[in-house]
Order: sequence, then structure tokens, then C-alpha cells
Amino acid sequence: EPEVTQTPSHQVTQMGQEVILRCVPISNHLYFYWYRQILGQKVEFLVSFYNNEISEKSEIFDDQFSVERPDGSNFTLKIRSTKLEDSAMYFCASGQFTGMGSTDTQYFGPGTRLTVL
Amino acid sequence: QKEVEQNSGPLSVPEGAIASLNCTYSDRVSQSFFWYRQYSGKSPELIMSIYSNGDKEDGRFTAQLNKASQYVSLLIRDSQPSDSATYLCAVIKDSNYQLIWGAGTKLIIKP
Repeated sequence: EPEVTQTPSHQVTQMGQEVILRCVPISNHLYFYWYRQILGQKVEFLVSFYNNEISEKSEIFDDQFSVERPDGSNFTLKIRSTKLEDSAMYFCASGQFTGMGSTDTQYFGPGTRLTVL
Repeated sequence: QKEVEQNSGPLSVPEGAIASLNCTYSDRVSQSFFWYRQYSGKSPELIMSIYSNGDKEDGRFTAQLNKASQYVSLLIRDSQPSDSATYLCAVIKDSNYQLIWGAGTKLIIKP
């Protein structure tokens, strides 16, 4: 069964450093998402991406964040200058939606645990 | 008012009993509804989806949707210790297909 994959599974970085988190969505999906989850807290939406552009972003997704689909298979999240409070699990998700009123939804990758020291 | 509300729990249920999880949503235009299960340190996993009023059954799981009352519930029959997890309710309400999440209900199945 197709699945979303993410690399690395765990990333440790120093405050102020740039990190790139990588995701390979399910191959026929066209909608892509990044979420984060701080330990013990709820899943938070960061950004959605469709047709090679951001379709929606949250308040969390400030100028320090960017997303790219550099080729036909990868979807990346870059944090330019990491802060301690960026430490969290980052989940990538993808979906293929055929229309409203259906049960199409998003499927999640296993996540990348980011630790900022 | 939060867009999607769930009781945070924990909800403690004896093994073999029925676990009942509830979720309410505020926006009447919401279209599709989902239950995800999340084990600690893992990613959310889809377990049920529903968009028509009524019940939808899949194995031990039943999702119930009542759009007039704006609630969706999840029943787990014959609860097992492996069902212990946080259950997240999510709603899609517009053409961006963005999920609006509840905070999750922690379910504990006691042997």
C-alpha cells in the first residue's frame, strides 16, 4: 500500500542553523501539507501546497519557513534559522481529493522529530 | 468557540466494553469528518471517515454523524488494550481540503 515517507526520522540541530525536512508524498496525490506537534500538544497546521504554490498557511508559518517541491516526488520544509521553540514532531501529509462530500482525506508520514539545542 | 471540540479525557474504559468518543463542530458548512488515532510519538492514522448522516461501520468501529446537531462520534466495540491512544476528530469544510483538528481525546482501555 502506498505511503508517505519522511526523512530524517530525527534531526538534531543548533539554534540558528537551517534545517530541511524531506517528504515523499503518495505518488498520485496533488495536495501536500506540513503539520507540527510540540510534545504533549495538539497537531498544528503549518501550510498546504497545491499546484506548485502555497494554498494556505497558518500564523506559525512565518518568514523563517518555506516549502518547495523541487522535483516530481519530493516536498520539503525549510526552517531558515531554527529556534528552541521549533523543537517538535513535523508531519508531512498528502491527499487526492475528488470533490466535496467525499471521504477523501490526508495521509500522514511517520514524522521527523526536530530537536533544537 | 473552537471550531472542533473534543473532551480531552482521559476516558477510561474496561477491556471488552464499548468506548464512545464524541466531537462537535461549529461550522454548518463542514462536509467531511474523520477520526484519526495517534499513539504517543507516532503520526495520526486514519481509522474512519464519514460524510452522510447516520452510522458507518467498519469492523469494531462505528462512526456516527448528525449534521443537524453538529456532532460526530466514534464507537469502539470490544475495546482492547491496543486501542489505548489519543483519538483525533477532524473536519474538512472547504475546497482547500484543509483538516480542522480537535485537540483529541485520550482513551485508556483497562485490562
